[in-house]
Amino acid sequence: EVKLLESGGGLVQPGGSMRLSCAASGFTFTDFYMYWIRQPAGKAPEWLGFIRNKANGYTTEYNPSVKGRFTISRDNTQNMLYLQMNTLRAEDTATYYCARGYFDYWGQGVMVTVSS
Amino acid sequence: EIVLTQSPTTTAASPGEKVTITCLASSSVSNMYWYQQKSGASPKLLIYSTSSLASGVPDRFSGSGSGTSYSLTINTMEAEDAATYYCQQWSSNPLTFGSGTKLEIK
Repeated sequence: EVKLLESGGGLVQPGGSMRLSCAASGFTFTDFYMYWIRQPAGKAPEWLGFIRNKANGYTTEYNPSVKGRFTISRDNTQNMLYLQMNTLRAEDTATYYCARGYFDYWGQGVMVTVSS
Repeated sequence: EIVLTQSPTTTAASPGEKVTITCLASSSVSNMYWYQQKSGASPKLLIYSTSSLASGVPDRFSGSGSGTSYSLTINTMEAEDAATYYCQQWSSNPLTFGSGTKLEIK
């Protein structure tokens, strides 16, 4: 059974940093692109970026809205996906999801609140 | 950035009624994807590559369209279909979602 489980969310002050994790299981992790998406309360989802699979060299692409502040990485030995977020702003407040390539499986989401 | 405009924003349907949700793209896209999101849950993939049904999705759901105009149809509304629906394109970076259509049961 495919499972994706995010962790690491919470309250952070503006200008701070936070790293989210996504534990993947039930599939061959290295075969898949992995995505991060966020969704502010009551709004549409926003794609943040992805990291490619082994066949495509694990390279990354980002939404210009977060490029330079957010970094996606993966630990293929632990089947873990990460989102490093720096210089956080109030508008980064949202539920953050990881998703498998093709968006056929999503995690349950983790809440990030940026506030003083 | 390709902007996806969904209509209607909100709608309601009676059980058994046919429902159509439209997604208009600001530029031509090669395919459209549709998601269903119920309150407090993650989005669920319904339709991929414009018209292909995702695994486990009832066949009362269907998708169609091309270019800049796409639609999601629920052939016969059921109470469990009450949710918010989003379209999504990944023809160009950044991948974008529509603003959503809230579907309620009458």
